Amino acid sequence: QKEVEQNSGPLSVPEGAIASLNCTYSDRGSQSFFWYRQYSGKSPELIMSIYSNGDKEDGRFTAQLNKASQYVSLLIRDSQPSDSATYLCADYTLSGNTPLVFGKGTRLSVIA
Amino acid sequence: EAGVAQSPRYKIIEKRQSVAFWCNPISGHATLYWYQQILGQGPKLLIQFQNNGVVDDSQLPKDRFSAERLKGVDSTLKIQPAKLEDSAVYLCASSLVGGGYEKLFFGSGTQLSVL
Repeated sequence: QKEVEQNSGPLSVPEGAIASLNCTYSDRGSQSFFWYRQYSGKSPELIMSIYSNGDKEDGRFTAQLNKASQYVSLLIRDSQPSDSATYLCADYTLSGNTPLVFGKGTRLSVIA
Repeated sequence: EAGVAQSPRYKIIEKRQSVAFWCNPISGHATLYWYQQILGQGPKLLIQFQNNGVVDDSQLPKDRFSAERLKGVDSTLKIQPAKLEDSAVYLCASSLVGGGYEKLFFGSGTQLSVL
């Protein structure tokens, strides 16, 4: 059974700091990786996707992928209280019965 | 651009009753997903449609859950009979093609409470 593992948190960081969110996945065949943000009582929204090893930057967000270690991370620079949410990691495998699998999410709290 | 529409927003039923949820995806999106999100967990895929065909329903409890997507547009998810453990938010999502490299657009969800 394919799995995506995340530390549920909460992860607390002071405003302006770097928040580091981590995710590991079990399926070596996973091809694409996503970070969704979910505010309390709201639906998930995509903030980053990454398909190749290395880093991908978008504004204050950087996604990092290491396929050899089966590890994905999300860095949030200059964290703001508005970044307080649950961050869901998801991965996609072309083959298999459940192509897109979500982790349980990490709850981030940015303290002003 | 209109988003994914879901109804109802909230539903409270007693165990053993039946319930149905409705979803209308973004216009032109071929792929439609139903996810179940239990409090404190990530979304779990129940069923994925490509147009009006089922791509994956391996985690759908078929003895009580059913879903259909007639004409490849809107979709209905039904639970009959409901159990206490079905209490969750039911999220509908859609994507343009469904190839696995796409962004999923989620609706606002239906929060189901089974008493």
